[in-house]
Amino acid sequence: GAVVSQHPSRVICKSGTSVKIECRSLDFQATTMFWYRQFPKQSLMLMATSNEGSKATYEQGVEKDKFLINHASLTLSTLTVTSAHPEDSSFYICSASRLADDNEQFFGPGTRLTVL
Amino acid sequence: GENVEQHPSTLSVQEGDSAVIKCTYSDSASNYFPWYKQELGKRPQLIIDIRSNVGEKKDQRIAVTLNKTAKHFSLHITETQPEDSAVYFCAARPSGGYQKVTFGTGTKLQVIP
Repeated sequence: GAVVSQHPSRVICKSGTSVKIECRSLDFQATTMFWYRQFPKQSLMLMATSNEGSKATYEQGVEKDKFLINHASLTLSTLTVTSAHPEDSSFYICSASRLADDNEQFFGPGTRLTVL
Repeated sequence: GENVEQHPSTLSVQEGDSAVIKCTYSDSASNYFPWYKQELGKRPQLIIDIRSNVGEKKDQRIAVTLNKTAKHFSLHITETQPEDSAVYFCAARPSGGYQKVTFGTGTKLQVIP
């Protein structure tokens, strides 16, 4: 149990386009999902906390209008990178928490975004 | 907010030797300390965690110790194997609700056969 999927696993896009990444909890309901960004050889940096049915809470320095987060259901959160630029190229990972596991986070497999 | 420091950034050990990774945290409200193993291009995998009401926890070759007074915790891997080679992250999280986890900077462990 506690499986989290992400789609797509890899995406290459042109500068200026928007990219949507989906994060799904497959076998449990996740009230809260987290979005992280990881640059090569660096740690995971939290971008935002997403709660079902409410606006996401963004970390300091993360642009809300650039990284749009929607948590429309208890099993799905989406991250849209708008007007992507090469500096947005990174590994994006989501995680989901469920109360039954005392809020342990279960991570998705990540999405490798490359902006040309 | 919470700040987690992790040392060393890289660690090479001979197969069969022990490896120790150390972390410190700043927020005294943190009471949950997970450790993750991440292989290249893959998701972080929880390998062990400890809560502030215990000082030590062990799971086969992996152990974690916590000194809440000094605000530091450590990961110990004994009898290391080549498959232990990966990047390890410590993390800290305060109690209550769906609190965010703050990650350390990571340690790249290389086990030399």
